[in-house]
Amino acid sequence: AQSVTQLGSHVSVSEGALVLLRCNYSSSVPPYLFWYVQYPNQGLQLLLKYTSAATLVKGINDFEAEFKKSETSFHLTKPSAHMSDAAEYFCAVIRFSGGYNKLIFGAGTRLAVHP
Amino acid sequence: ETGVTQTPRHLVMGMTNKKSLKCEQHLGHNAMYWYKQSAKKPLELMFVYSLEERVENNSVPSRFSPECPNSSHLFLHLHTLQPEDSALYLCASSQDAALATLGSSYEQYFGPGTRLTVT
Repeated sequence: AQSVTQLGSHVSVSEGALVLLRCNYSSSVPPYLFWYVQYPNQGLQLLLKYTSAATLVKGINDFEAEFKKSETSFHLTKPSAHMSDAAEYFCAVIRFSGGYNKLIFGAGTRLAVHP
Repeated sequence: ETGVTQTPRHLVMGMTNKKSLKCEQHLGHNAMYWYKQSAKKPLELMFVYSLEERVENNSVPSRFSPECPNSSHLFLHLHTLQPEDSALYLCASSQDAALATLGSSYEQYFGPGTRLTVT
């Protein structure tokens, strides 16, 4: 069954530094992959999605992710962190079962950005 | 209102109370979901509704009772909850929940959540 693993529950970067949040997936079929962001006291907002088109996916707020089948990875990056990027980030994969699709989330990575 | 809305945003209830959470989506979607988000636990899918029919009940205790009267509204009725049920309850919607719907991109849109505290 499809699943995702996020490496690192907490990541801390300096403002202006590269952001790299890691996600590895497990899937026996071509996966549909997502990154969501959750700001404090809010719901989840879609950052970007991979649906088997281009392997480099660009999302909102200058985030992007690259699908690498050979590494079963879908890491999220941003060239220059802003203070406003501090939030929790979730990687997710679509699981198909019982005739329906479901989003399966990783445990999340909390990003801290310090001056 | 646009997107997915949830009311109330905060709820404090005793273990003997009965309350309901409400979710409304303004996106014309056919599928709606309830998730539970607890501290230090991954997001847990609770229920899935497709075209107002419940298609998934993810081993949720019967003290949680969902209701989907139409494709735009979803409720979660709560009764005799336990303190461990305190969590953020998130509602989401998507275009469809059916497998491999032609043209579907599968992403879900989330509401802001209801922060529930059971005392």
